[in-house]
Amino acid sequence: QVTLKESGPGILQPSQTLSLTCSFSGFSLSTSGICVSWIRQPSGKGLEWLATICWEDSKGYNPSLKNRLTISKDTSNNQAFLKITSVDTADTAIYYCARRGLGAIDYWGQGVMVTVSS
Amino acid sequence: DTVLTQSPALAVSPGERVTISCRASESVSTLMHWYQQKPGQQPKLLIYKASNLASGVPARFSGSGSGTDFTFTIDPVEADDIATYYCHQSWNSDTFGAGTKLELK
Repeated sequence: QVTLKESGPGILQPSQTLSLTCSFSGFSLSTSGICVSWIRQPSGKGLEWLATICWEDSKGYNPSLKNRLTISKDTSNNQAFLKITSVDTADTAIYYCARRGLGAIDYWGQGVMVTVSS
Repeated sequence: DTVLTQSPALAVSPGERVTISCRASESVSTLMHWYQQKPGQQPKLLIYKASNLASGVPARFSGSGSGTDFTFTIDPVEADDIATYYCHQSWNSDTFGAGTKLELK
């Protein structure tokens, strides 16, 4: 059974760095073809892909946010991470981590709410 | 970026057939996928690679298309299908459509 769970700080101030952790089970990020992505969704709005990391450590970033994003993984502990630097109120959203399979995003975590506020 | 344009909100009655369109600003081959999202829940994969039904998804859901024009169909619609539906392309990086909100008439 594939599960993913996101964790984060809940609330942080503008200009700080947001650090998110995705803990997963039921698959391994060392398996060929497996990737994990981060996607976010502001309240009442649509989905925005942020970044992806794959089994062989390749990475992809949303071009509009690339300079602020860093994705990484800890294969032995079944975790993936995302850092977003210099946050502002526009980064307030639900952040999802998700597994990529079948060419799509086949399993999603429940999401974690992150609020940026002074 | 590959921009995905979805049809706007649709109002349907149970038992009807509904089709949602998604047009890509450039070809995405068949790397188009469809998700259902209900309020307060994470998205759920319904269709992958344009026309393939995800595991456990009822056959009432279907998808078709290639290149730039794609459609997602529910036939027949059930009351439980009221949700927002998103298309997603993974050919050129990743982008999502703005979503189509399905509402009851």
